[in-house]
Amino acid sequence: QQPVQSPQAVILREGEDAVINCSSSKALYSVHWYRQKHGEAPIFLMILLKGGEQKGHDKISASFNEKKQQSSLYLTASQLSYSGTYFCGTENYNQAGTALIFGKGTTLSVSS
Amino acid sequence: DSGVTQTPKHLITATGQRVTLRCSPRSGDLSVYWYQQSLDQGLQFLIQYYNGEERAKGNILERFSAQQFPDLHSELNLSSLELGDSALYFCASSVGVWTDNSPLHFGNGTRLTVT
Repeated sequence: QQPVQSPQAVILREGEDAVINCSSSKALYSVHWYRQKHGEAPIFLMILLKGGEQKGHDKISASFNEKKQQSSLYLTASQLSYSGTYFCGTENYNQAGTALIFGKGTTLSVSS
Repeated sequence: DSGVTQTPKHLITATGQRVTLRCSPRSGDLSVYWYQQSLDQGLQFLIQYYNGEERAKGNILERFSAQQFPDLHSELNLSSLELGDSALYFCASSVGVWTDNSPLHFGNGTRLTVT
């Protein structure tokens, strides 16, 4: 099942903060976050594992609440380069492999 | 540069035709994933291969097929093309068969236009 992302879109000025949420109706073991700029390939940001700590990279961090089956991506003091569409991905295991299923994405627009 | 190579970058073809998309994974990666991205559907998972074997399948149409070769490159074959197949097709690769600790590295995609 596809995870649900909210909000669908965020408009910010440089320096402002944003939170993007990702929730699932099923138990999660990990959550992936990716950013995609228009017409380009998605770029990996981070993976959060069940029982793991909150992760961060520069001013982008994320948390994972396995009890609530949700993850949040925090972008602080946003920069123009943060603009793009953010996708969360959750695993759908079968016995042989993994399908990483992505949410519909959250479009972030940062202006000066 | 992710290290994942997809060819061709663009394909324009007519309805009813067949095309082949090619993907070379990052060096050392054994898993290959195919995704379809259209404007209103986001990234739709199609299929996963690991070391030559099919491992996971999404909502891949019967008109579509894929395989991974011994040198680990993969091909996605799309046949009896319809207008609705127009999309950006991404290949991604990862080290392991499971994604719980293995990020996906995406190629730059093949943009397919069916006229």
